[in-house]
Amino acid sequence: KQEVTQIPAALSVPEGENLVLNCSFTDSAIYNLQWFRQDPGKGLTSLLLIQSSQREQTSGRLNASLDKSSGRSTLYIAASQPGDSATYLCAVRGMRTGANSKLTFGKGITLSVRP
Amino acid sequence: GAGVSQSPSNKVTEKGKDVELRCDPISGHTALYWYRQSLGQGLEFLIYFQGNSAPDKSGLPSDRFSAERTGGSVSTLTIQRTQQEDSAVYLCASSLGTGPMNTEAFFGQGTRLTVV
Repeated sequence: KQEVTQIPAALSVPEGENLVLNCSFTDSAIYNLQWFRQDPGKGLTSLLLIQSSQREQTSGRLNASLDKSSGRSTLYIAASQPGDSATYLCAVRGMRTGANSKLTFGKGITLSVRP
Repeated sequence: GAGVSQSPSNKVTEKGKDVELRCDPISGHTALYWYRQSLGQGLEFLIYFQGNSAPDKSGLPSDRFSAERTGGSVSTLTIQRTQQEDSAVYLCASSLGTGPMNTEAFFGQGTRLTVV
């Protein structure tokens, strides 16, 4: 059974700091990995999708990397801003049950960027 | 539509009543998913629809939960005889279709269900 872990559960940093959010998964047989952002009381916003054949994806100040063999992904946020404060979730789509199998989520990292 | 739309955004119901939650996926998306997010918990998979294939119901927690998808578009999640432990945010997502390159999931804003 696929398990996704995100540690720590919460993180507080001063504005302007570069930071890395970690995600690990137990079964490396994945199609892709997706990072989401969730603001309080809201749904999930897709940030980046990395296919299993890719090593990284970039969007603006965000860079996500994937090391499938070791079961790890990182989300790098450059020059953090108070508006980046949210919960960040990673999710993997496994290969065991077909191309459109369900996403398995971590419990998320709640980020607070202090002005 | 521009995004995944869920209704209602909030629902308060009395224990024992039935509720229906609606999801309108992004136009043209053939895959649709329901997840549940309880306070302090991660996202729990409930059910997945892909085109005309039989849905994957492996995540439904009990037989009080059911879902259908009419015409390959709109989906309704029904909870019968609601219990207090059903209180959660119910999230719907859709993705374009089959194949690893088409599986980016887009989520709606969720329905917050409170059973009193």
